[in-house]
Amino acid sequence: GAGVSQSPSNKVTEKGKDVELRCDPISGHTALYWYRQSLGQGLEFLIYFQGNSAPDKSGLPSDRFSAERTGGSVSTLTIQRTQQEDSAVYLCASSLVRSGGGTDTQYFGPGTRLTVL
Amino acid sequence: AQSVTQLDSQVPVFEEAPVELRCNYSSSVSVYLFWYVQYPNQGLQLLLKYLSGSTLVKGINGFEAEFNKSQTSFHLRKPSVHISDTAEYFCAVSSYTGGFKTIFGAGTRLFVKA
Repeated sequence: GAGVSQSPSNKVTEKGKDVELRCDPISGHTALYWYRQSLGQGLEFLIYFQGNSAPDKSGLPSDRFSAERTGGSVSTLTIQRTQQEDSAVYLCASSLVRSGGGTDTQYFGPGTRLTVL
Repeated sequence: AQSVTQLDSQVPVFEEAPVELRCNYSSSVSVYLFWYVQYPNQGLQLLLKYLSGSTLVKGINGFEAEFNKSQTSFHLRKPSVHISDTAEYFCAVSSYTGGFKTIFGAGTRLFVKA
């Protein structure tokens, strides 16, 4: 079966432009996560979805960042008016959820490398 | 609130030597614990996980970790490392009742020298 896919793999944009990053999770995975990994840094949690709802948006760094998920599947992360500090690798992951709560193994996509000039 | 601390940002070690990568967490509720590995120019993948049961967990490539509830630790160990183990290792925690949010540590870069 297919793993998590992300597109585009690389995105170069100019400061001030909007960008959309796409994630296709593994079929049947109800939980979907977005993380940001800056050069030499760990994983910064951005947002997660349970189905189509996003109960925790606390990780979004500013109101320029938003995300949605439709049909319990594909998710889009949008960054408006990009800034140079937004340059990073954006990772998506999906997982099953355990009946008693909590997540199981997260399967990561290859990431989208965003460069803001 | 949950948090994860990886005490060492970088660990250099010679080939065939043992290694321990340290991870401590804080949580007011029971947790699931994970170690993920990111090889150079590759994506993140699961190394091992603790969900319940035996506190000693074995993963891929000869790695193991022990859940110590009293010390809130989940240290990763390997008795003899190879050059190919050079990678970034991330500890992560998810709670039973904390929704589905998973918190990752800052990562430990393991560098195996010949």
